[in-house]
Amino acid sequence: RKEVEQDPGPFNVPEGATVAFNCTYSNSASQSFFWYRQDCRKEPKLLMSVYSSGNEDGRFTAQLNRASQYISLLIRDSKLSDSATYLCVVNDAITGNQFYFGTGTSLTVIP
Amino acid sequence: ETGVTQSPTHLIKTRGQQVTLRCSSQSGHNTVSWYQQALGQGPQFIFQYYREEENGRGNFPPRFSGLQFPNYSSELNVNALELDDSALYLCASSVGQQETQYFGPGTRLLVL
Repeated sequence: RKEVEQDPGPFNVPEGATVAFNCTYSNSASQSFFWYRQDCRKEPKLLMSVYSSGNEDGRFTAQLNRASQYISLLIRDSKLSDSATYLCVVNDAITGNQFYFGTGTSLTVIP
Repeated sequence: ETGVTQSPTHLIKTRGQQVTLRCSSQSGHNTVSWYQQALGQGPQFIFQYYREEENGRGNFPPRFSGLQFPNYSSELNVNALELDDSALYLCASSVGQQETQYFGPGTRLLVL
């Protein structure tokens, strides 16, 4: 079983739409959670960390559900510039220093 | 503040050759992690260096090795290259072993 699983998509949504991505992780003892964004042929860039209480950054909201072992990312009022691949990241529960990436979810925002 | 840099940006090698990829960590960061990203996949953890010591390793064979220098820059060495080693190699630095990681632009390696 993979450490982190994501729906690869693609998600094609119109501008202004709200879109949500989910990600599940296998190890209940994992402590750190992140969403990264990766544009085509570029490096991943940190979008936001995910905290137990949930957190919001502008149009982006991240939630963590430890009981069900999933992480979500909600994007409101989608912009064309949001088109990218979104990577869910979980750290290794034992060592803490190994980060596991999902395969990514592809989002295209259509005019 | 300088971000993470990597060199070279692109590289073409043949099977059996050896390659060295380089990474300079972001100012103030003492930890470097290396990842391999195949097309259509997420980055896969190769290993991490903290204070010049290997500090965790993913599921990669011993022909993948690395170094970290006193200035926290790092090298990834791959011996006996195989076709499947063709990928984007990403370096990420952080202020500590379990902290948020910031990525460099990567090195695209093509093995023919």
